[in-house]
Amino acid sequence: TQLLEQSPQFLSIQEGENLTVYCNSSSVFSSLQWYRQEPGEGPVLLVTVVTGGEVKKLKRLTFQFGDARKDSSLHITAAQPGDTGLYLCAARNANSGYALNFGKGTSLLVTP
Amino acid sequence: DVKVTQSSRYLVKRTGEKVFLECVQDMDHENMFWYRQDPGLGLRLIYFSYDVKMKEKGDIPEGYSVSREKKERFSLILESASTNQTSMYLCASSLIEGNYGYTFGSGTRLTVV
Repeated sequence: TQLLEQSPQFLSIQEGENLTVYCNSSSVFSSLQWYRQEPGEGPVLLVTVVTGGEVKKLKRLTFQFGDARKDSSLHITAAQPGDTGLYLCAARNANSGYALNFGKGTSLLVTP
Repeated sequence: DVKVTQSSRYLVKRTGEKVFLECVQDMDHENMFWYRQDPGLGLRLIYFSYDVKMKEKGDIPEGYSVSREKKERFSLILESASTNQTSMYLCASSLIEGNYGYTFGSGTRLTVV
């Protein structure tokens, strides 16, 4: 099972600050996904990145896939309390092609 | 609004009971998955299915079984519940091709006492 390591594990910031969270692996992936999970709910897909070096924007969220397709980052500009949640990266499992492996996540708290 | 529905949000069962967790999706997805989520361990794959009556073991299948008699329904069975199976159980579905993401249910928080 490929390991997806996410950092930091926890992040507590004030509204309006910028932040970046990371997802790293020693494996090369054909694609990588980011999800956000709010307390008591299932994760919700934010984005899929496919091409090395690809950058995708979703309002104040910017996702980047590393050139070597082994890592990814999520940057949030001017964080808001509504951004609070657990951010998970995921990539397909080499042993079970349809299933995703998930990182352990970055838990983000944005306070007003 | 497309969705994955898990039958119970909260469940309390006794040690040794046989427990059924039900999951239904209305998106005609081929793939369905069961994960458990625990603090510090993240999401771990229990079983998945890519077609009716097909099933594949994930990373932690011990103590669990699954059933997929219809395309839209994927059931997780705890044959004899134990306290170490206390967890949040998440069901998800996806299309079979390419890089489509998962649609998750809201989860079932199972407590085994």
